[in-house]
Amino acid sequence: AQTVTQSQPEMSVQEAETVTLSCTYDTSESDYYLFWYKQPPSRQMILVIRQEAYKQQNATENRFSVNFQKAAKSFSLKISDSQLGDAAMYFCAYRSAFGVVFGTGTLLAVQP
Amino acid sequence: DTGVSQDPRHKITKRGQNVTFRCDPISEHNRLYWYRQTLGQGPEFLTYFQNEAQLEKSRLLSDRFSAERPKGSFSTLEIQRTEQGDSAMYLCASSSTLGTGGPEAFFGQGTRLTVV
Repeated sequence: AQTVTQSQPEMSVQEAETVTLSCTYDTSESDYYLFWYKQPPSRQMILVIRQEAYKQQNATENRFSVNFQKAAKSFSLKISDSQLGDAAMYFCAYRSAFGVVFGTGTLLAVQP
Repeated sequence: DTGVSQDPRHKITKRGQNVTFRCDPISEHNRLYWYRQTLGQGPEFLTYFQNEAQLEKSRLLSDRFSAERPKGSFSTLEIQRTEQGDSAMYLCASSSTLGTGGPEAFFGQGTRLTVV
């Protein structure tokens, strides 16, 4: 079974600084997708960024980028120029033909 | 289509009662997922449908839980004889395996269940 591990329960970053959230996963599949989702307090979960496993190029969405290391099964999220609105729970997720599996999340605090 | 919608948003029930939640996915999405999320945890997979077929159920899902998607559109999740441990946020998500759209799941706002 696929598993997703986020080893950082909480992280903190100063406004305008850069922070990296870690994620590792375990799978025997070769074709899959990886995602980072953001869940603000009492708010809906929304997609931040996605990565197709067959693509070597790391995905980028504005201030959000990933470092995808397929051999190491690592998928970290880098947030540049952090903003107060980035404060939220961040979940790493893996999608296979079976479905979507989530990590336990990293709570990101942004200090003004 | 404004996204995935769930009803009700909040439900308080007495232990032992049955509850039913509804999810309306994004209309062109053929996959629909149910997750359970407790405070400070990630979403825990319960079950998913591709069209009207229920393709997978979590081993964590007891016999008191049942889900349906009779016409391949909306879905219902029923919990019978609720227990206090069932208190959680129940999330619905939908995605597409077809050519249109991306592979990501879009989530509803969830139904928060409190069993007293």
